[in-house]
Amino acid sequence: QVQLVESGGGVVQPGRSLRLSCAASGFAFSSYAMHWVRQAPGKGLEWMAAISYDGSNKYFADSVKGRFTISRDNSKNTLFLQMSSLRAEDTAVYYCAKVRRGELPDYLDYWGQGALVTVSS
Amino acid sequence: DIQMTQSPSSVSASVGDRVTITCRASQGISSWLAWYQQKPGKAPKLLIYAASILQSRVPSRFSGSGSGTDFTLTISSLQPEDFATYYCQQVKTFPHSFGGGTKVEIK
Repeated sequence: QVQLVESGGGVVQPGRSLRLSCAASGFAFSSYAMHWVRQAPGKGLEWMAAISYDGSNKYFADSVKGRFTISRDNSKNTLFLQMSSLRAEDTAVYYCAKVRRGELPDYLDYWGQGALVTVSS
Repeated sequence: DIQMTQSPSSVSASVGDRVTITCRASQGISSWLAWYQQKPGKAPKLLIYAASILQSRVPSRFSGSGSGTDFTLTISSLQPEDFATYYCQQVKTFPHSFGGGTKVEIK
């Protein structure tokens, strides 16, 4: 069965960096584009970033462009989100999600359980 | 960027009621729209994609319609497990924006 497990969340000071990981299993990871979506406490969903199956194409929300980077290691079935220059407004649960068919654009059919990132001094 | 506007932001309904949620895109997105259900403390779950196609194992009381800029999610007969927040998302262009959500509450 498909499993997506995020890790790397925690409390970080403003201006610092943090890297989230998403370990994938139960599907051919290297054939699927992947996304990151976040949700601030008590708020709605916010799309963050996407990466094509081979890592050649990347897309970002304006709110994180230039600060966040998405990458993947297909040999280790792992997706990453490198977050830098963190701000209080980046505090959220971060979800990784896989697309339904493989390519972009596509819909998000499986999601991880989420990793909480708290930006606070 | 495409803005997605959902209405209402919340709705109170009883078990057995028919519930309709609307989603409007700021520009045409053809049928590139999904609906997700999210329960407190849980990850979102894909209900409908391509505006009207039911995801596998999703009950048939859920249905979606629309194309272009106006879309609808309908729950034909609300069940206790359907009390949740529902989001639409467009995937026609990046950023793949979400609507603000509609919370379905117990009346």
